[in-house]
Amino acid sequence: DGGITQSPKYLFRKEGQNVTLSCEQNLNHDAMYWYRQDPGQGLRLIYYSQIVNDFQKGDIAEGYSVSREKKESFPLTVTSAQKNPTAFYLCASSRFNGQVVGEQYFGPGTRLTVT
Amino acid sequence: AQSVTQPDIHITVSEGASLELRCNYSYGATPYLFWYVQSPGQGLQLLLKYFSGDTLVQGIKGFEAEFKRSQSSFNLRKPSVHWSDAAEYFCAVEFAGGTSYGKLTFGQGTILTVHP
Repeated sequence: DGGITQSPKYLFRKEGQNVTLSCEQNLNHDAMYWYRQDPGQGLRLIYYSQIVNDFQKGDIAEGYSVSREKKESFPLTVTSAQKNPTAFYLCASSRFNGQVVGEQYFGPGTRLTVT
Repeated sequence: AQSVTQPDIHITVSEGASLELRCNYSYGATPYLFWYVQSPGQGLQLLLKYFSGDTLVQGIKGFEAEFKRSQSSFNLRKPSVHWSDAAEYFCAVEFAGGTSYGKLTFGQGTILTVHP
């Protein structure tokens, strides 16, 4: 079955450590996205990529980094510079025709807890 | 900046009652509109979408939504709610063109509680 996988489901880290969240899709989508979700704040866009080897900052990119070396993969690194990293992180993908995205398909999410 | 507003943070209905969740967006040419549903601790699932054509769109699980351009609204409705509909619902908009292309803007979500 085609879809998006995120691993792990739960992740625990000590403050000051970098951590990388995995996102893989086999939908042959060009575009991929990372969102952060906090209670009562909806989804906020961290980074997105519409083509391999290219990505753009979203609304809350500070303290995060990404890479897009393969079409299927879009890992997110939460660095020690991110002041409040504890959150639920969602990865998504979509088709992209150069102008319109259309619907995004979401992974199951990773809940990161930093203490 | 473009924005999406879901005025109701939390709605409670009785099972079998009708439901309407509100969504308004700031003015933008050619919006593409979506409703997603999220169960606790899970990802988002697409309920329905509007790109063009008939302004009343049907989705999965018996949901429908109506696009009203004059009101910049895209409200979600269901005639009879089931206990399994309890979840959080997100409205999202893609504003084609300009600096917003290729991105969705999400509302803050509406939590639906269903009483037996």
